[in-house]
Amino acid sequence: EAGVTQFPSHSVIEKGQTVTLRCDPISGHDNLYWYRRVMGKEIKFLLHFVKESKQDESGMPNNRFLAERTGGTYSTLKVQPAELEDSGVYFCASSQDSGRGSNYGYTFGSGTRLTVV
Amino acid sequence: EDQVTQSPEALRLQEGESSSLNCSYTVSGLRGLFWYRQDPGKGPEFLFTLYSAGEEKEKERLKATLTKKESFLHITAPKPEDSATYLCAVSRGRYYGQNFVFGPGTRLSVLP
Repeated sequence: EAGVTQFPSHSVIEKGQTVTLRCDPISGHDNLYWYRRVMGKEIKFLLHFVKESKQDESGMPNNRFLAERTGGTYSTLKVQPAELEDSGVYFCASSQDSGRGSNYGYTFGSGTRLTVV
Repeated sequence: EDQVTQSPEALRLQEGESSSLNCSYTVSGLRGLFWYRQDPGKGPEFLFTLYSAGEEKEKERLKATLTKKESFLHITAPKPEDSATYLCAVSRGRYYGQNFVFGPGTRLSVLP
């Protein structure tokens, strides 16, 4: 099966510009997550979709970040306007369900490396 | 505040030299502890989930164990292809596996 796909793989933008990151989860996965790692820090949770609904957005840093998942398929994460501290790697992950299971685990995409200059 | 720490920060082993990585956590209402492997330029790759103290999981040369305060990832007779960053994460959401708190990772290098 195809994995989690993220686009673009790299993006360099100027401070104040807008950038939109896209994530295509594994087909049939209702749960979609966004995480990011800023330089030298741990991977941090941003938000969690169940289908098209935001289940938990407690990790979103501020209102410059907007995530959508129209139709419960792919998701976009828009940063507007971008600031220098937004630079980092943004990961998307998906899972079929949130339940307990011996083989349960997210599937992560390869990430989008965002550089704000 | 929920926290996950990992040690050592980096580890260099000779091929065949077994060792262990540590993950210590303080979290209220632990739902599960997860180990991931991450290669450069890639996203984390799921390895194991542990749910309760005393639980153990094995996969090839890797074995993960869990106590009430920490988890160990034991690597037996490692090979160069085991070189990667190993991440520990805890789940604390309403549902298992939701909203991970990640540790900083251990960078493992296995020399031939």
